[in-house]
Amino acid sequence: DTAVSQTPKYLVTQMGNDKSIKCEQNLGHDTMYWYKQDSKKFLKIMFSYNNKELIINETVPNRFSPKSPDKAHLNLHINSLELGDSAVYFCASSQVISRTQSYEQYFGPGTRLTVT
Amino acid sequence: QKEVEQNSGPLSVPEGAIASLNCTYSDRGSQSFFWYRQYSGKSPELIMSIYSNGDKEDGRFTAQLNKASQYVSLLIRDSQPSDSATYLCAVKAAGNKLTFGGGTRVLVKP
Repeated sequence: DTAVSQTPKYLVTQMGNDKSIKCEQNLGHDTMYWYKQDSKKFLKIMFSYNNKELIINETVPNRFSPKSPDKAHLNLHINSLELGDSAVYFCASSQVISRTQSYEQYFGPGTRLTVT
Repeated sequence: QKEVEQNSGPLSVPEGAIASLNCTYSDRGSQSFFWYRQYSGKSPELIMSIYSNGDKEDGRFTAQLNKASQYVSLLIRDSQPSDSATYLCAVKAAGNKLTFGGGTRVLVKP
């Protein structure tokens, strides 16, 4: 099926650990995103990559490092996990038309991260 | 002031009625507007996009955009229990950055 997929779906870990979340899209899009949805359900963008180039980098702690090996994959590595990192992390993708225009974004199923 | 504002609800609607959701935004340079539906524990699902002033209809959904007043709305006609979800308004200004509102929870009662 064509889709945006993420692994793992659930991630439970202890404070101080390092973990990674992987995202893959087979929609042929050239831009991928990471969003964080907190306990109040507020969805906020963290990063965006266009053709492996970082184009959006919001105010996110340096402990979060995205990596895009190719335009179909975007991974998120988190160092020294903290309790406040507990949230659902969504990957999304879209096709960019120009620097200021893009088509709709499609979301992956999410990764629920719980830090204990 | 939040960039994209929505009433958090819950908006309680009888089955078969029209649900009306509103969203206001602060950036006058915003160009693209989207409505996503999110069921509990699931990911946001795109249901409507609108780019110019006026109405856009798709099945039971109608999106309305008024750029002068900086609001976008979503109407759900003939509401069904399966429409019970949180509806997220998303606005895109220049730079392809999508900003979401906090969502409106809709409850359709049989």
